[in-house]
Amino acid sequence: QVQMQESGPGLVKPSETLSLTCAVSGASISSTNCFWGWIRQSPGKALEWIGSIYKSGSTYYNPSLKSRITISADTSKNQFSLNLASVTAADTAVYFCVRGVSTPYACGMWGQGTVVTVSS
Amino acid sequence: EIVLTQSPGSLSLSPGEGATLSCRASQIVTNNYLAWFQQKTGQAPRLLIYGASNRDVGIPDRFSGSGSGTDFTFTISRLEPEDFAVYYCQQYGSSPGTFGQGTKLEIK
Repeated sequence: QVQMQESGPGLVKPSETLSLTCAVSGASISSTNCFWGWIRQSPGKALEWIGSIYKSGSTYYNPSLKSRITISADTSKNQFSLNLASVTAADTAVYFCVRGVSTPYACGMWGQGTVVTVSS
Repeated sequence: EIVLTQSPGSLSLSPGEGATLSCRASQIVTNNYLAWFQQKTGQAPRLLIYGASNRDVGIPDRFSGSGSGTDFTFTISRLEPEDFAVYYCQQYGSSPGTFGQGTKLEIK
C-alpha cells in the first residue's frame, strides 16, 4: 500500500524559501509510471495545483508559481521535494503531496498534508 | 487556464435523499479528464471519480459521475451520514490542473 508523508518547517519567514519533503513508501518513485506532485489549500479556500515531477526527472509547474518553484526527487531516499522561494503571507496554506497517473496534473492519492504559515 | 464553476455552493439535504452537483468548465476538458473529490474537515481530499465517470477503487456505487466536454455532474443516489462533506471537481487534462471552488453538502 502506497503511503506518502510530508515533512518540513511549519513556520517560514517572509521572503525566505519554503522547503517541504514527501517520503514515499510502498512504491518506487523512480520506476513507477506516476507523477509525484504538490497541491496546496489556503485557509478557507479551494485547492491549487503547484507542480509535479515524473520518474524521468521531467518537471511540470503551475505558470502562476513557475518563477518561484523547484520540485526535485531523491531516488536514493524515495522522496521528492518542493522549494518555493520568496514566500509571502499568501503562501500560507496546507501543502499536500500527491501521486497521479495519466497526466502531470492528476492527483489520485494524497498525503495527509502539512500546515505552513508564513509570518515574521 | 480552465476555470471550473461548481453549483450549488452549498446544499442542505437529509440522509436518504439524493444529491446532484454540477461542474461547468470554461473550456472543453481534454479527454474528459475530470475528477471528483470528497474532503472532510481536517482531512486530505479523497478521489471518488476519475475520467468523468469512473469510480475509484473501493468507492461505493451510490457515487456516480457523468458528463463530457464542459458540463459534468456528480450524483449521490442515497445520502449516508458520512457523505456530508465538501466536494470538489478537478480537471487534469491541461496545464495547469484546476479545481472548482467546492460544494458544501450539509445535513438538513
